[in-house]
Amino acid sequence: EVQLLESGGGLVQPGGSLRLSCTASGFTFSDYAMSWVRQAPGKGLECVSNIHGGGGITSYADSVKGRFTISRDNSRNTLYLQMNSLRAEDTAVYFCAKNRGSTVTAWFFDYWGQGTLVTVSS
Amino acid sequence: QSVLTQPPSVSGAPGQRVTISCTGSSSNIGADYDVHWYQQLPGTAPKLLIYGNSNRPSGVPDRFSGSKSGTSASLAITGLQAEDEADYYCQSYDSSLSGNWVFGGGTKLTVL
Repeated sequence: EVQLLESGGGLVQPGGSLRLSCTASGFTFSDYAMSWVRQAPGKGLECVSNIHGGGGITSYADSVKGRFTISRDNSRNTLYLQMNSLRAEDTAVYFCAKNRGSTVTAWFFDYWGQGTLVTVSS
Repeated sequence: QSVLTQPPSVSGAPGQRVTISCTGSSSNIGADYDVHWYQQLPGTAPKLLIYGNSNRPSGVPDRFSGSKSGTSASLAITGLQAEDEADYYCQSYDSSLSGNWVFGGGTKLTVL
């Protein structure tokens, strides 16, 4: 059974930093790209970043580029999101998701974690 | 504003059929990129409902179906049940954006 478990969320002041983790089980972690998708309170979904299985290729939404860094440790089956220079508009539930699809342009998210809440406020 | 446009809400009585539209453009759905659909029950994570325009993962009832034509896609739900009340999101790839994997704004389905 595929399981994704996020951790690391919490309350942080504007300009601060936070690192999210997502521990995966139930599949060969290194075989799959992974993503972070966030949902602001009462709003829709936004894919903020993804990383290929080997970790060498990453992409970011414009809203987080230069501030967030995605990484993975395939030996620990863990996905990370380092978030710096946080802003109030980064307040959201952050989900990690497993990617699936025959090509990058066909990617979708077949399994999701339960999410971790990040609140940016003074 | 979302790159993919969905109606904010739809509703239907138990047993009825409802459809949810997802309208894109020539840089996403119209470029023949696949459309995928997710169901999000209140207070839970999204769940994959339809992938590759019309494919259902195992465990998803055949009451749910997806289709795509031109720059739009649709999710149809037949035999509406109370437990279908949720938010539904479409998702695709957009070649014009750096954050390429885009979602619709979501549609709240109310079962009357």
